[in-house]
Amino acid sequence: EPEVTQTPSHQVTQMGQEVILRCVPISNHLYFYWYRQILGQKVEFLVSFYNNEISEKSEIFDDQFSVERPDGSNFTLKIRSTKLEDSAMYFCASSQWGGRTGELFFGEGSRLTVL
Amino acid sequence: QQQVKQSPQSLIVQKGGISIINCAYENTAFDYFPWYQQFPGKGPALLIAIRPDVSEKKEGRFTISFNKSAKQFSLHIMDSQPGDSATYFCAATGNNNDMRFGAGTRLTVKP
Repeated sequence: EPEVTQTPSHQVTQMGQEVILRCVPISNHLYFYWYRQILGQKVEFLVSFYNNEISEKSEIFDDQFSVERPDGSNFTLKIRSTKLEDSAMYFCASSQWGGRTGELFFGEGSRLTVL
Repeated sequence: QQQVKQSPQSLIVQKGGISIINCAYENTAFDYFPWYQQFPGKGPALLIAIRPDVSEKKEGRFTISFNKSAKQFSLHIMDSQPGDSATYFCAATGNNNDMRFGAGTRLTVKP
């Protein structure tokens, strides 16, 4: 069964360092998302991406965050200068038709620990 | 971000009992309401979803009840089983591409 894969599964970084989280969405999907979840709490929307551009972003997704689809298969989330409060589980999701009409398929997450 | 309010935060049910989780939304533009199930160490996975043109949807032991005028919807799990123990998230989305999740309910079904 096709699945969303994320790497790394766990990354530890120092405050102020740049981090790139990678995702390989399901191959025929067109809509891509990043969510984060802090310590088993609520799943918070960060950004959605369609047709090679951001379609929606939340108030969390400030200038420190960026997303990219560099090669037609990977979808990356970059955090430019990490803060302690960026420590969370980051989930990538993809959807064939968009969240309004179909299922979001989530990866297993990348745990980011900022020291 | 709090556009979907979910309760209770945690729920303990005996095996065979009914689990009920409630959600309320604010944005009247929302028109798709899924429920996601998350097991520890895994990403959320779609369980069941409803659109506001129906008041109820049932899939096996899982039922969504939807009240458009009250802007509320709920998940009912009939004959709850220990394997249903997980965190459940309601969500909502509308004519844009940002699905918003509730705060989650940790369900424990005791044998």
